[in-house]
Amino acid sequence: EPEVTQTPSHQVTQMGQEVILRCVPISNHLYFYWYRQILGQKVEFLVSFYNNEISEKSEIFDDQFSVERPDGSNFTLKIRSTKLEDSAMYFCASSGGQVENEQYFGPGTRLTVT
Amino acid sequence: AQSVTQLGSHVSVSEGALVLLRCNYSSSVPPYLFWYVQYPNQGLQLLLKYTTGATLVKGINGFEAEFKKSETSFHLTKPSAHMSDAAEYFCAVSFASGGYQKVTFGTGTKLQVIP
Repeated sequence: EPEVTQTPSHQVTQMGQEVILRCVPISNHLYFYWYRQILGQKVEFLVSFYNNEISEKSEIFDDQFSVERPDGSNFTLKIRSTKLEDSAMYFCASSGGQVENEQYFGPGTRLTVT
Repeated sequence: AQSVTQLGSHVSVSEGALVLLRCNYSSSVPPYLFWYVQYPNQGLQLLLKYTTGATLVKGINGFEAEFKKSETSFHLTKPSAHMSDAAEYFCAVSFASGGYQKVTFGTGTKLQVIP
């Protein structure tokens, strides 16, 4: 069964450093997403991406964040200058071209900012 | 705006007992409703979803949920709990936004199964 994959599974970085979280969505999916889950809290939407551009973003997704699909298979989330409060589990998801399609989630990347 | 309320952040049941996890939603448009399960240190796995049609939805691992529009509820049930059901469960509501679903998650309910 096709699945969304994410690398790395755990990333530790120092405050102020840039990090790139990588995702490989399901190959025939058209919509891509990033979500964040701070420890003990609910899953929060960050951004959706379609046709090589951001279709929607939340208030959390400020100028420190960016996404891109550099090569037609990977989907990346970049945090330019990490803060302690960026420590969270980051989930990538993808969905097909039909509006009723559910989103398939990857296993997540745990980001720890020290 | 849409929102999801999950009653009870922690629920404990005995092995073999009924599992009932409550979810109420608000949505200004007809919603799609989902239950996801998250095992420790893992991602989110879809248990079941309601889009249209039959209001009683069956999912994986023996779980089911019923969409009750009049009560704006989508409670998750399983007749007999198994130890392997111990996990965190998230209810989610979404509506169509362009060609995709804009998903809002509840705060989650941790299910403990007591042997």
